[in-house]
Amino acid sequence: KAGVTQTPRYLIKTRGQQVTLSCSPISGHRSVSWYQQTPGQGLQFLFEYFSETQRNKGNFPGRFSGRQFSNSRSEMNVSTLELGDSALYLCASSLMGVGANVLTFGAGSRLTVL
Amino acid sequence: QKEVEQNSGPLSVPEGAIASLNCTYSDRGSQSFFWYRQYSGKSPELIMSIYSNGDKEDGRFTAQLNKASQYVSLLIRDSQPSDSATYLCAVNDEAGGFKTIFGAGTRLFVKA
Repeated sequence: KAGVTQTPRYLIKTRGQQVTLSCSPISGHRSVSWYQQTPGQGLQFLFEYFSETQRNKGNFPGRFSGRQFSNSRSEMNVSTLELGDSALYLCASSLMGVGANVLTFGAGSRLTVL
Repeated sequence: QKEVEQNSGPLSVPEGAIASLNCTYSDRGSQSFFWYRQYSGKSPELIMSIYSNGDKEDGRFTAQLNKASQYVSLLIRDSQPSDSATYLCAVNDEAGGFKTIFGAGTRLFVKA
């Protein structure tokens, strides 16, 4: 069974640019969550999608956005990049239901903003 | 703001000892609790989930939950150098859609 696939794995951007990250969940998983991980802040929740609907959003500025497609694949976009956006962006998928919200993480996309 | 608190460590234990990792959470309504392990340069992976008060054992790992005290712990028996990693406590915030909140993690070093 294929795991959670994130692309690209590494990318370097400059300030002011925008970036799109992609996540393909485990087959059958309909929930996709995105997290930002930095050494100083740990894992910070960005947003969660289920059936193409954003159900929850973390405390990030509007420059951070996302979407989910009908096949459950998800993308997140960061516009007008800032140096502080350098981080590991992790996508996680899960089955839904009581006791089923166990997250399976992808390998992450490491973004460096210069 | 719902929070999950962990001692960042590092926690250092000798090989074969018991490692004890602790976590507190702020939301009394939380129902689902998890421990994830993250090796350096890797993504987090689930090692334990617990939903009811008491202990849950899985091999060398035991998770303990006390909802009255809003406290979750993880015991690792017979610690091995391969257990050296960051351990993340996580709690589901189930209001308005599933959201999992993570603590900052405790770094564990097991010395051979």
